[in-house]
Amino acid sequence: AQSVAQPEDQVNVAEGNPLTVKCTYSVSGNPYLFWYVQYPNRGLQFLLKYITGDNLVKGSYGFEAEFNKSQTSFHLKKPSALVSDSALYFCAVRVTGFQKLVFGTGTRLLVSP
Amino acid sequence: SAVISQKPSRDICQRGTSLTIQCQVDSQVTMMFWYRQQPGQSLTLIATANQGSEATYESGFVIDKFPISRPNLTFSTLTVSNLSPEDSSIYLCSVVQGAGGYTFGSGTRLTVV
Repeated sequence: AQSVAQPEDQVNVAEGNPLTVKCTYSVSGNPYLFWYVQYPNRGLQFLLKYITGDNLVKGSYGFEAEFNKSQTSFHLKKPSALVSDSALYFCAVRVTGFQKLVFGTGTRLLVSP
Repeated sequence: SAVISQKPSRDICQRGTSLTIQCQVDSQVTMMFWYRQQPGQSLTLIATANQGSEATYESGFVIDKFPISRPNLTFSTLTVSNLSPEDSSIYLCSVVQGAGGYTFGSGTRLTVV
């Protein structure tokens, strides 16, 4: 079964420091991978996606992610965290042969001033 | 990308009653998806709704509990019937356009009392 794993329930980082939110995937075939962010009482906001092409994907709000096929990872990164980045982050993968997405368990990012 | 209007944004319902959630899309889309996000949890797909055919439900979800309508290519409803406190969740609709262009509604926060 296709899935994504987010091994960290929470990531704490100080403002101005780089941040990484981890995601690993398990799919058959070529993966379509996504990152979404959810702020309190809000829906999901799209950050970035990898479908094909460059392994380094740049997205919204200064976020980027690196697709690593050998490690089956798609970690979300940002060079300098902001307090306003504090939110819940979800990694997702499209199920091969279908259009539906499977989501990871989510990682709460807390950026301290 | 598509814009989705989801209503209501929140509701408090008595147990045993039903709640119908609506999603209106500003463009025609083939597939619409309905997700549930239980408190503190990730998103779980309830069903995929195609216009002109019955929805396809995921394991653990049944039509009697979560009937879905898809009367045209821009609109869908999800009803959560015979409510119990365990149904208290956020419900989100989603559409996909092109290669990996997923958009989510703002969500409906349901509280069952």
